Amino acid sequence: DAKTTQPNSMESNEEEPVHLPCNHSTISGTDYIHWYRQLPSQGPEYVIHGLTSNVNNRMASLAIAEDRKSSTLILHRATLRDAAVYYCILRRAGAGSYQLTFGKGTKLSVIP
Amino acid sequence: DAGVIQSPRHEVTEMGQEVTLRCKPISGHDYLFWYRQTMMRGLELLIYFNNNVPIDDSGMPEDRFSAKMPNASFSTLKIQPSEPRDSAVYFCASSLSGRGPKNIQYFGAGTRLSVL
Repeated sequence: DAKTTQPNSMESNEEEPVHLPCNHSTISGTDYIHWYRQLPSQGPEYVIHGLTSNVNNRMASLAIAEDRKSSTLILHRATLRDAAVYYCILRRAGAGSYQLTFGKGTKLSVIP
Repeated sequence: DAGVIQSPRHEVTEMGQEVTLRCKPISGHDYLFWYRQTMMRGLELLIYFNNNVPIDDSGMPEDRFSAKMPNASFSTLKIQPSEPRDSAVYFCASSLSGRGPKNIQYFGAGTRLSVL
């Protein structure tokens, strides 16, 4: 499986935008890029996913590089509730495509 | 829908005892996953089911662990006998088929297991 690399931790001030990077230089053409986050003492929750084009939803935006070797999760205005561990995960079509393989993720701290 | 429901939320037991964790997936979902989370190893997939049939149990650490899904609305993860190194948070997740790698998993709140 293709691997992802994320910074261990990041900090942001409340109400400012946050850009969480993810490198996936060995991504294949059929790999989808998923982001999940895990709030303290909770299970992971889905944030967003994309294949080639940038994506927006009510939680966040996903910006995908043209060569797809990196992507960035954008939280437009960080709130205290966004403090969590964010996981960037690649998912490939075919056998095993329903599995999630979690890395270490990025721990985001939001400063009031 | 109430989401994925796990019970108990916390379990404290003594080494050697049998432990059973329970999960009720979201109604209509046909995939069910069991994960374990520890500080050392992070989140690991233990086993997953499709239509109540185990598909991949390669993540189950050893024979002391077993999982069943007797029907579409209930699954158990059993540890017998339990050991202190089994202490972890165990998550159950469910998802709907048909979207392949676009599929979204929904997680329960987890069961925190402490084996003394």
